[in-house]
Amino acid sequence: GAGVSQSPSNKVTEKGKDVELRCDPISGHTALYWYRQSLGQGLEFLIYFQGNSAPDKSGLPSDRFSAERTGGSVSTLTIQRTQQEDSAVYLCASSGARGSYNEQFFGPGTRLTVL
Amino acid sequence: GDSVTQMEGPVTLSEEAFLTINCTYTATGYPSLFWYVQYPGEGLQLLLKATKADDKGSNKGFEATYRKETTSFHLEKGSVQVSDSAVYFCALSDSQGTYKYIFGTGTRLKVLA
Repeated sequence: GAGVSQSPSNKVTEKGKDVELRCDPISGHTALYWYRQSLGQGLEFLIYFQGNSAPDKSGLPSDRFSAERTGGSVSTLTIQRTQQEDSAVYLCASSGARGSYNEQFFGPGTRLTVL
Repeated sequence: GDSVTQMEGPVTLSEEAFLTINCTYTATGYPSLFWYVQYPGEGLQLLLKATKADDKGSNKGFEATYRKETTSFHLEKGSVQVSDSAVYFCALSDSQGTYKYIFGTGTRLKVLA
């Protein structure tokens, strides 16, 4: 079956521009997570969705970052007024149900480069 | 808060050598523990997991045992291959509500023929 997909795979943007990153989770997975992988910070949690709600946004680094999920499926992570420190690989993961025994399935990531 | 500490890399081994990558954690509650692997140019893949104390996860010759008394989940393989060259991440799953992952910093393994 289809795994988690993300688009675009690569995004190069200029400082100050807004970007949107998309995640398509595995069909039927209710939980969706965004993480960021950067050289200086390793893998960091950004935000968690259960259905269309985001009960944990504690990892979003600033108010320039926002995310939404619609129809309990596709999620979009938006970064406004991008800065060079936003350059990283943004990973999306989904899991089937609440419970730590349900492992997360990761997408291939979107590599964001801010010039 | 919860945290994962993983041994620094890179680790360079000859083919057929024994591998250990250390991982210790700090957590409230009873987390699940995971090892993920990232091969060059690829995404994160689950390697193995353990959901409670004394569980042993195993896959592809790798294994790790959930040790609550030492708060550890060390990854081992008896005989590594060149194809095992990758970055390995230890992670715990928050058991207090969201089940988000907290990752270690990753350990790069290079296996030489």
